[in-house]
Amino acid sequence: GEDVEQSLFLSVREGDSSVINCTYTDSSSTYLYWYKQEPGAGLQLLTYIFSNMDMKQDQRLTVLLNKKDKHLSLRIADTQTGDSAIYFCAASRTNDYKLSFGAGTTVTVRA
Amino acid sequence: DGGITQSPKYLFRKEGQNVTLSCEQNLNHDAMYWYRQDPGQGLRLIYYSQIVNDFQKGDIAEGYSVSREKKESFPLTVTSAQKNPTAFYLCASRGGGAGYGYTFGSGTRLTVV
Repeated sequence: GEDVEQSLFLSVREGDSSVINCTYTDSSSTYLYWYKQEPGAGLQLLTYIFSNMDMKQDQRLTVLLNKKDKHLSLRIADTQTGDSAIYFCAASRTNDYKLSFGAGTTVTVRA
Repeated sequence: DGGITQSPKYLFRKEGQNVTLSCEQNLNHDAMYWYRQDPGQGLRLIYYSQIVNDFQKGDIAEGYSVSREKKESFPLTVTSAQKNPTAFYLCASRGGGAGYGYTFGSGTRLTVV
């Protein structure tokens, strides 16, 4: 099955940019997602990108996809205290009903 | 508003008891999923169902059971055979085919006392 890997922790100063990285193993992954989980809550879909795209921007969020290296990143501009959460990368293939999740990156925003 | 409702939010179980976690969605989604989350381990798939009256084991199905008698409902039973059931359980659904992400419920925290 698909393996998705992420670094576990990231500390960032308020107002700086955060970059969360993710790698996946299956080159046939078609859809790649970023989810956010706040303490004690479920996961919220933040954004997604199709494999035929290199970049997607949505307000403060920028997703970059390097298909050759199977590397996905999420950049959060002007990081705020409300951005402190766990961020999950996930991948799926066409016609596959299951998503493969990374272990999650805990982002801590410090003043 | 459409969404997924998990209940209860907190559940306490005595050793040797079976407990059932509820998951209901009004999104008209065909596929539903149960995940277990432990600290630092991400999400692990327990069971999933693509259509009514059909479900498949995920990666850690031992000690769990599910049913899918209605499109809207996908309850998870944690049986006494599950040796380490204390965890955060998340239910999700997916509609619209591949390319659509999951919608998650708010989770149930199960604690064995």
